[in-house]
Amino acid sequence: ETGVTQTPRHLVMGMTNKKSLKCEQHLGHNAMYWYKQSAKKPLELMFVYSLEERVENNSVPSRFSPECPNSSHLFLHLHTLQPEDSALYLCASSQDSSGGDNEQFFGPGTRLTVL
Amino acid sequence: RKEVEQDPGPFNVPEGATVAFNCTYSNSASQSFFWYRQDCRKEPKLLMSVYSSGNEDGRFTAQLNRASQYISLLIRDSKLSDSATYLCVVNPGPSGGSYIPTFGRGTSLIVHP
Repeated sequence: ETGVTQTPRHLVMGMTNKKSLKCEQHLGHNAMYWYKQSAKKPLELMFVYSLEERVENNSVPSRFSPECPNSSHLFLHLHTLQPEDSALYLCASSQDSSGGDNEQFFGPGTRLTVL
Repeated sequence: RKEVEQDPGPFNVPEGATVAFNCTYSNSASQSFFWYRQDCRKEPKLLMSVYSSGNEDGRFTAQLNRASQYISLLIRDSKLSDSATYLCVVNPGPSGGSYIPTFGRGTSLIVHP
């Protein structure tokens, strides 16, 4: 297993469902990120975790709830989503978030559709 | 002014052409700069870091102009496989001890036969 993996790769859910996205990194990194990418829009940073502590919460609605149980795993719990939340959700990791030379490695993303 | 700005394109060029993209950033304290490449329906991947002295990797050359606050990416001898979206990424400097990268919207490149 290499790099950053995400499951599921595709998810269709109704507005009343609860689901979770999972990200796992095998790079020994200390920082992990959730991004949202909608069609024709730039990447939107959602959350940043450094050493399992949340260091950034970019005004994300409470229907998105992150969880970082350890430095290798990151979850995004979803509940009562809206159709406009349909997007590609990308997880990334980097060595840490306290250095300026901060190359990020991305997972393949979860393509989410909210009906 | 947006933190990181790119011309979304698309840049439509023939094979073998030379093409250049610019990316401007607003925070003069920005510390590090990158170009990422994103293929259609795939995740972004690091193409190259951008160093103050400029750097080259094969057909790709990246430059940084701190005075004018922009970075550039030059692609020589374009290949069909270069077709992708090129994302400019700027690390704006520490905020609460963390360096949170900022992504541009991306520039779309289409290389045609």
